[in-house]
Amino acid sequence: AQSVAQPEDQVNVAEGNPLTVKCTYSVSGNPYLFWYVQYPNRGLQFLLKYITGDNLVKGSYGFEAEFNKSQTSFHLKKPSALVSDSALYFCAVSANTGGFKTIFGAGTRLFVKA
Amino acid sequence: DTAVSQTPKYLVTQMGNDKSIKCEQNLGHDTMYWYKQDSKKFLKIMFSYNNKELIINETVPNRFSPKSPDKAHLNLHINSLELGDSAVYFCASSQRTSGATGELFFGEGSRLTVL
Repeated sequence: AQSVAQPEDQVNVAEGNPLTVKCTYSVSGNPYLFWYVQYPNRGLQFLLKYITGDNLVKGSYGFEAEFNKSQTSFHLKKPSALVSDSALYFCAVSANTGGFKTIFGAGTRLFVKA
Repeated sequence: DTAVSQTPKYLVTQMGNDKSIKCEQNLGHDTMYWYKQDSKKFLKIMFSYNNKELIINETVPNRFSPKSPDKAHLNLHINSLELGDSAVYFCASSQRTSGATGELFFGEGSRLTVL
């Protein structure tokens, strides 16, 4: 069975500082990993994905994520946080052994203080 | 042009009533989904259709019945509504490429409140 863990309910960071939002996963087979962002009263928006290839993937709004197979992690990062990055972030995984069902983590709320 | 659109955005209804939510996507995707987001923001997959065929049917009460008249539309009908059905229901779509699912495109959600 697939699962995704986001160990932090909330991450606080000052504007201009780097941010990291953590994600670990468990799947049988090759994982397809995603990050999404949700602003209040909105649907989720896709940020970036890892399917294969380079372990460092770059996405929208200056976000990037690093796939680490040995640690089964896919942490989201940004070198310099903006107040407008404050939102709810979801890590997600799908795999061929799960029928390509996309399973989401519980979400991490990011607060960026000015 | 909205890529994935759902209607209505809000529904407020009494227990025991029946309600429907409609979803349409204009992205040309072959796969559509219904997800439920509860008050703690947990997202749980309910159903998925690929080219009008039901491919994912999670342990959802059979009061919930999805219907896909064509690959651009996926509707959700809920019978005999209960208080616990109150949630935000999201429609999403994706394109399967080489057997793998791509990223999901979400609608803006339909907030259901059962009184």
